[in-house]
Amino acid sequence: EVQLLESGGGLVQSGGSLRLSCAASGFTFSDCTMGWVRQAPGKGLQWVSDIHRNGGRSSYADSVMGRFTISRDNSKDTLFLQMNSLRAEDTAVYYCARVVWGQIDNWGQGTLVTVSS
Amino acid sequence: QSALTQPASVSGSPGQSITISCTGTSSDVGAYNYVSWYQQHPGKAPKLMIYDVDNRPSGVSDRFSGSKSGNTASLTIAGLQADDEADYYCSSYTGSNTLEGVFGGGTKLTVL
Repeated sequence: EVQLLESGGGLVQSGGSLRLSCAASGFTFSDCTMGWVRQAPGKGLQWVSDIHRNGGRSSYADSVMGRFTISRDNSKDTLFLQMNSLRAEDTAVYYCARVVWGQIDNWGQGTLVTVSS
Repeated sequence: QSALTQPASVSGSPGQSITISCTGTSSDVGAYNYVSWYQQHPGKAPKLMIYDVDNRPSGVSDRFSGSKSGNTASLTIAGLQADDEADYYCSSYTGSNTLEGVFGGGTKLTVL
């Protein structure tokens, strides 16, 4: 059974940093593109970032470019999202996602990030 | 990174069928057969309902079906049930050198 377990969310002041982690199990992590999707309170889904299986290519939404960094440790089956210079508009539930051709076949349960101004 | 276009809301009575549209461009929905649909109940993570335009994951009811014509994909739910009331999102592969996927804005389905 595929499992994606996020951690690292919490309350942070505007301008601060957080690092999200996603522990994967039940599949060959190093074979899969992975990503982060967020959902602000009462809003829709937003694709934030994704990273190819070997970490050689990563992409970002314009709204987080230059502030967020996605990475992975295939030896530990773990995905990361380093979030710097956080803003109030980054407040959201962040989901870890397994990506297959731009489609998400497995989601984590989500971790809440709250940025206070 | 423009979002796909979905109606904000749709509604139907139990037993009826509804269809939700998802309009993209010739660079995403129209270019690839990698369109998916997700169901999200309040406070829950999204759940994959349809992938590759018209395929259902194991365990998803055959009341859910997908299709595509040109730049528009559609999700049809037949025999509406109370538990189908949820938010529905489409997504498409972008095939670009930026993000792999893009979502629609979401559609709130109300079962009357």
